[in-house]
Order: sequence, then structure tokens, then C-alpha cells
Amino acid sequence: DAGVTQSPTHLIKTRGQQVTLRCSPKSGHDTVSWYQQALGQGPQFIFQYYEEEERQRGNFPDRFSGHQFPNYSSELNVNALLLGDSALYLCASSRTGTALVNSNQPQHFGDGTRLSIL
Amino acid sequence: GESVGLHLPTLSVQEGDNSIINCAYSNSASDYFIWYKQESGKGPQFIIDIRSNMDKRQGQRVTVLLNKTVKHLSLQIAATQPGDSAVYFCAETLVAGGTSYGKLTFGQGTILTVHP
Repeated sequence: DAGVTQSPTHLIKTRGQQVTLRCSPKSGHDTVSWYQQALGQGPQFIFQYYEEEERQRGNFPDRFSGHQFPNYSSELNVNALLLGDSALYLCASSRTGTALVNSNQPQHFGDGTRLSIL
Repeated sequence: GESVGLHLPTLSVQEGDNSIINCAYSNSASDYFIWYKQESGKGPQFIIDIRSNMDKRQGQRVTVLLNKTVKHLSLQIAATQPGDSAVYFCAETLVAGGTSYGKLTFGQGTILTVHP
């Protein structure tokens, strides 16, 4: 059973460019969340997608946008890249509608895409 | 704004010792807390969780304690092993209607180093 997969694993861009990161959720999951993790920090919530719509958004500018496809996979797009966008971008998946009981893992994380901006 | 923070950024222990990692949270509305382990080059890995209607929960070699009065969360690791060396994050979230998970708010993280 494949877990959350992200591509690419590493990416180098220059300021002003645009980037698209991809995520395939764990089998059986229908909800995808994206996080940005700067070096030495905890992950910061960007947004969450469910039923192909953005359901919740964190404190990130409009340069950050996303999309969810009918097969539940998702993309994160960042426009007009800044040096400060250099980070590890994590995708997490979960299942909406499942009754929450103890021991349910809330979100399964992928290993991320390391984005470096030069 | 909401935040989840850690008291100690680093913790160094000997193999076989018990480890305790602490976390303070500020959002009293949060009702679900999770501890994650993150190894170098990997994404966060679920360790254990606890709902706000509990004050203690045990797993295999790990125990999470929740003190809602002082908004404090701790992770206890028994008989710490070198493979436990990693960064540990606490996270909080709101469970929306009991059927979906909202955003996770993470703390800064604690680096745990276990010496053989």
C-alpha cells in the first residue's frame, strides 16, 4: 500500500520563476494538505483541498495556489518565486468522513520536495 | 495568533534512559494533539495522538500526557534507543464535526540525540 508520494524530490529555481509540485495521496484518502517547512522550523499550513476545492487556507499570499484532481492527487503552484520560498514542501493526506477515534492517524505525510531558490 | 511551542530545542540522552519532550500550546479550542517524529530527509511520522477528553495515552514505549489546565503536552519515550534520534514536533488541530481534520499547527521542534 503506497503512502503519500511527492515529486520531484529536489528542485532548484531562480527568483521570479514559477514552480509546480505534485502529490499523490495515500490510497483511500481524499483530502490533501500542503505545508511549508523552513530550515529549523516546524511545518506551516498552506492550504487544504477536498472535493477539488480549497477548503481551508493558512497565512500565505496569493502567489501560492493549488489544485486537486478527480483522482485526489494535488498540485501546489508558486508564482514569482522569492528567496524566502526556499523550503521543504510537504504534502499530507487524510480521509474526510471517517469517524475519528483514537489511533486514527490524522494526516499521513510524504517526504517532501526540497525547493531551493537562487 | 495560535501557536504551539516547545520549552527545549535540544535533548541529549544515553541509550536506555527515558526521554521527556515538552510542548506548550496556546489555543484552548484545540481538541486533538499529535506527536510527530521527523528524521533527516523524511517527512513527519506519526507517533501518538490524544484527544482533549483524555489526559494520558500510552503506546509502545511512548506515553503522551495532556494538561489542559496549563496547556501543556509531553511525550515520554521509555528506554530510548539510538533509532529514536530525530526531531520531535507536537501539533494541535481542531476536529471539525468529528469527521475531518483541519490544519495542523506545529511547534518549533526538539532535537533528540541518543548516545550509545
